[in-house]
Amino acid sequence: QKEVEQNSGPLSVPEGAIASLNCTYSDRVSQSFFWYRQYSGKSPELIMSIYSNGDKEDGRFTAQLNKASQYVSLLIRDSQPSDSATYLCAVIGGRQFYFGTGTSLTVIP
Amino acid sequence: DGGITQSPKYLFRKEGQNVTLSCEQNLNHDAMYWYRQDPGQGLRLIYYSQIVNDFQKGDIAEGYSVSREKKESFPLTVTSAQKNPTAFYLCASSSLAGYYNEQFFGPGTRLTVL
Repeated sequence: QKEVEQNSGPLSVPEGAIASLNCTYSDRVSQSFFWYRQYSGKSPELIMSIYSNGDKEDGRFTAQLNKASQYVSLLIRDSQPSDSATYLCAVIGGRQFYFGTGTSLTVIP
Repeated sequence: DGGITQSPKYLFRKEGQNVTLSCEQNLNHDAMYWYRQDPGQGLRLIYYSQIVNDFQKGDIAEGYSVSREKKESFPLTVTSAQKNPTAFYLCASSSLAGYYNEQFFGPGTRLTVL
């Protein structure tokens, strides 16, 4: 079983809609959770970090963490074409970093 | 400007050649990492280092070597033993001082075998 699982997509949403990206992880002692955005041909860019159960909002982005269900999600409100990218979920278990394979998002104008 | 630099941006290797990819950071981060990314694939860990003069193998270390002689530098050598080295190579770093240790990435080096 992979440490971090994401639906590879592709996920398509119309401009202005909410995009919902999901991630599950297998290690119950995981402490920190991250979302990275990766544009085609570029390196990953950290966009959200979350450590406690519940929601964390930053602009149009909301990260949601449920440790009991081992589930972390990213909501993008008012999606823009510039949000079209691959989104990587990452988890720290101990000092080890685990990345998911990413979900490809396309926002249709 | 604090950040992570990688050079070169593009690199072409002939069969049987060793090549070295540079990674430098001025973030005063303790840990540095090398990942490989193939088209449409996730990140695979090659090597990581948490302290100078010490490093650990990741999931796909065969055919690669690293050194960590300075805190700010973590070069990766792709040897001729690596049979399929064409990929996007990403260097990352993180602080180990706090409880939350985000990784930050350099811009990457795209290696192509001719």
